[in-house]
Amino acid sequence: EAGVAQSPRYKIIEKRQSVAFWCNPISGHATLYWYQQILGQGPKLLIQFQNNGVVDDSQLPKDRFSAERLKGVDSTLKIQPAKLEDSAVYLCASAGGMYNSPLHFGNGTRLTVT
Amino acid sequence: AQKITQTQPGMFVQEKEAVTLDCTYDTSDQSYGLFWYKQPSSGEMIFLIYQGSYDEQNATEGRYSLNFQKARKSANLVISASQLGDSAMYFCAIATTGAQKLVFGQGTRLTINP
Repeated sequence: EAGVAQSPRYKIIEKRQSVAFWCNPISGHATLYWYQQILGQGPKLLIQFQNNGVVDDSQLPKDRFSAERLKGVDSTLKIQPAKLEDSAVYLCASAGGMYNSPLHFGNGTRLTVT
Repeated sequence: AQKITQTQPGMFVQEKEAVTLDCTYDTSDQSYGLFWYKQPSSGEMIFLIYQGSYDEQNATEGRYSLNFQKARKSANLVISASQLGDSAMYFCAIATTGAQKLVFGQGTRLTINP
């Protein structure tokens, strides 16, 4: 089966600019996640979708970050305006509906804010 | 709240030796799952092994096994007969059963020397 697809692979922007990341989960996976991984740290959950509804966005900085999952498939994560501390790898993951099924991750988007 | 602690920032092991990566966790949930992921320098997160809190036997997947000690809240990963390709970051993670939301530790960087 095809894995989780993410684009772009790399992005460099200046602070205060906006940026968007795209994710296409594994076909049939109802749950989609966006994680932020700062260099040297473990991934931190930003938002979790179940189909096209938000399950958990408690750690999403809503003043600058937004995410949507229209039609319950693809998802986009946007940052506007970006700050230096947003430099990180943004990982998208999806999971099937089975009991404690593992998350499957994409290759991530490495964002550098200058 | 759930928490994962990985106390070994870095580990250096000779090829073909066995290695144990430590993971302790904190949760108030009775039912939960523990996961280990590998992250090579290319950045993707690769699922390795899963242990449910009610599983009586330690999980095994090929060269990977999980030493689960529930009373000590410990879920160490054991890699037997290490290979050069095992060099990577390793993350332990926990999820409440049914929530399908992973909380990750800080990771351990494993380096296999020839």
